[in-house]
Amino acid sequence: EVQLLESGGGLVQSGGSLRLSCAASGFTLSGNTMSWVRHVPGKGLEWLSRISGSGDGISYADSVRGRFTISRDTSKNTLYLQMNSLRAEDTAVYYCAKAHTTLVTAPDYWGQGTLVTVSS
Amino acid sequence: DIVMTQTRPSLSVTPGQPASISCKSSQSLLHRNGNTYLYWYVQKPGQAPQLLLYEVSNRFSGVPERFSGSGSGTDFTLKISRAEAEDVGIYYCMQTLEFPLTFGGGTKVEIK
Repeated sequence: EVQLLESGGGLVQSGGSLRLSCAASGFTLSGNTMSWVRHVPGKGLEWLSRISGSGDGISYADSVRGRFTISRDTSKNTLYLQMNSLRAEDTAVYYCAKAHTTLVTAPDYWGQGTLVTVSS
Repeated sequence: DIVMTQTRPSLSVTPGQPASISCKSSQSLLHRNGNTYLYWYVQKPGQAPQLLLYEVSNRFSGVPERFSGSGSGTDFTLKISRAEAEDVGIYYCMQTLEFPLTFGGGTKVEIK
């Protein structure tokens, strides 16, 4: 059974940093593209970043490029999102998600999310 | 970036009645390999998003048959044949043709 468990969210001041983790089970990160997606309260979903199964394919949304870094530890089967220079508009629930197939990044399974609150 | 537009922000449906949600993309989602990379998700209250349909019309594992998808190019539709109380939530379309992946603004479905 595919399971994704995010952690690391919390309250941080504007300009601060957080690292989110996503522990995966039921599949291996080395064989699957993974994404981070966020949901701003009262607004829609925003895709942020992906890392390919091989680890050498990384992409970011313009809104986080240069501030956020996606990475993974295949020995721990865990995905990460390092978030620096946080802004109030980064306040959201952050989800990690597994890609549906090897050809597309669109998610099929999602974690339950972790809330990040950035105070100004 | 490809812009995904869901013109109807909310929809109220009577149980047992059909519902239809539309989505338009700013450019064709048809890939040269012949696949069309349009996905549908639902986010139920207090839950993470769930995959409903992939590549326009294919139901994901466990998705009830009352959900169907249609469309091509830039115009797509999600249909619920007979709405049930458990279908409450916000429905999003998403394109995965190119980066950045982009979502529509969502259509909130309420059951009367």
